[in-house]
Amino acid sequence: EVQLVESGGGLVQPGGSLRLSCAASGFSFSGYYMTWVRQAPGKGLQWVANIKEDGSIIHYLDSVKGRFTISRDNAKNSLYLQMNSLRDEDTAVYYCAKEGRMSDWGQGTLVTVSS
Amino acid sequence: QSVLTQPPSASGTPGQRVTISCSGGRSNIGNNRVNWYQQLPGTAPKLLIYSNNQWPSGVPDRFAGSKSGTSASLAISGLQSEDEADYYCATWDDSLNGYVFGTGTKVTVL
Repeated sequence: EVQLVESGGGLVQPGGSLRLSCAASGFSFSGYYMTWVRQAPGKGLQWVANIKEDGSIIHYLDSVKGRFTISRDNAKNSLYLQMNSLRDEDTAVYYCAKEGRMSDWGQGTLVTVSS
Repeated sequence: QSVLTQPPSASGTPGQRVTISCSGGRSNIGNNRVNWYQQLPGTAPKLLIYSNNQWPSGVPDRFAGSKSGTSASLAISGLQSEDEADYYCATWDDSLNGYVFGTGTKVTVL
């Protein structure tokens, strides 16, 4: 059974940083693209970034380019999202998802950016 | 603002058929395959349809996806109370070089 467990969310001030983690199990992590998606409170889904199996290809949402960094450690079956220069509008539940087409999702971790 | 437009709401009585549209452009739906996601209240999204009209394991064939040109549709047949959820279309956008979601449609079972 595929399991994705996000962690690292919390309350942070504008301009601050957070690092999200996603622990994967139940599948061959190194064989799949991985994706981060977010959902602001009461709003729709927004794709944030994805990363190829070996980390060689990465894509970002324009509004997070230069501020967020997606990475992975295939030895640890883990996906990461380093978020810097956080803004109010980054407040959301952040989900990690398996594959580019997001076939499986974690339960999400809430990031709140507020002073 | 999303580049994929969906109606904000749709509704039907149990057993009815409901259709949700997803309108895009050449750089997204026109050139790429469409996926659909179901998000039940308070839960994470779930992949419902992939590659325009394919079912992941465990998804009933009451849900059917289609695509024509720069638009896609999701049809729910034999509507059930447990189908009350938000539904999102999504696809890759070649111009944005990123994935885009639709605006979302809330389905209500009357």
